[in-house]
Amino acid sequence: AQSVAQPEDQVNVAEGNPLTVKCTYSVSGNPYLFWYVQYPNRGLQFLLKYITGDNLVKGSYGFEAEFNKSQTSFHLKKPSALVSDSALYFCAVSDNTDKLIFGTGTRLQVFP
Amino acid sequence: GAVVSQHPSRVICKSGTSVKIECRSLDFQATTMFWYRQFPKQSLMLMATSNEGSKATYEQGVEKDKFLINHASLTLSTLTVTSAHPEDSSFYICSARDLAGPYNEQFFGPGTRLTVL
Repeated sequence: AQSVAQPEDQVNVAEGNPLTVKCTYSVSGNPYLFWYVQYPNRGLQFLLKYITGDNLVKGSYGFEAEFNKSQTSFHLKKPSALVSDSALYFCAVSDNTDKLIFGTGTRLQVFP
Repeated sequence: GAVVSQHPSRVICKSGTSVKIECRSLDFQATTMFWYRQFPKQSLMLMATSNEGSKATYEQGVEKDKFLINHASLTLSTLTVTSAHPEDSSFYICSARDLAGPYNEQFFGPGTRLTVL
């Protein structure tokens, strides 16, 4: 069965510092991995995805994520955090079916 | 880009009434749409997969008679919460799969907050 783990409920970082939001996954077969961001009372906004190819994926708003097959991880990163990046971040996995399995979410708080 | 809308964005109803939520793909066709439920400070839980022109596929534990799904066109799916009760209060989010995209990725609507009194 597919599963996604986001081990941190919250990540705090100072503005201008690099940020990392962790995600590990379990799936049979090749994984399709996604990151979404959710602002309060809003739906999910797509950030980036890994399907195949380069392990480093670049996405929206300066975010990137690195696919690590040996560690079954897909951590979200950004070199320099902004206060406006504060939101809830979800990692999701699919095994090329229609279904997305979401992690529990990580709240990112960027302090001025 | 691909846009998905939901209506209404917020609804308050009395216990025992039914509520219909619409999900529309505005600039693409979606033979498949998905309905999720999100409780406060929790993740999204897939409720059902809505297929145009056929019956929805419900996830285990989701009552199909309570959460009626209709996907009558390539751009519209509706979720009706029948005989709503306070425990049905939640944030409901739909997504639509863009078949024309490079991968069958899902685009999400802004969500509908349902409060049952």
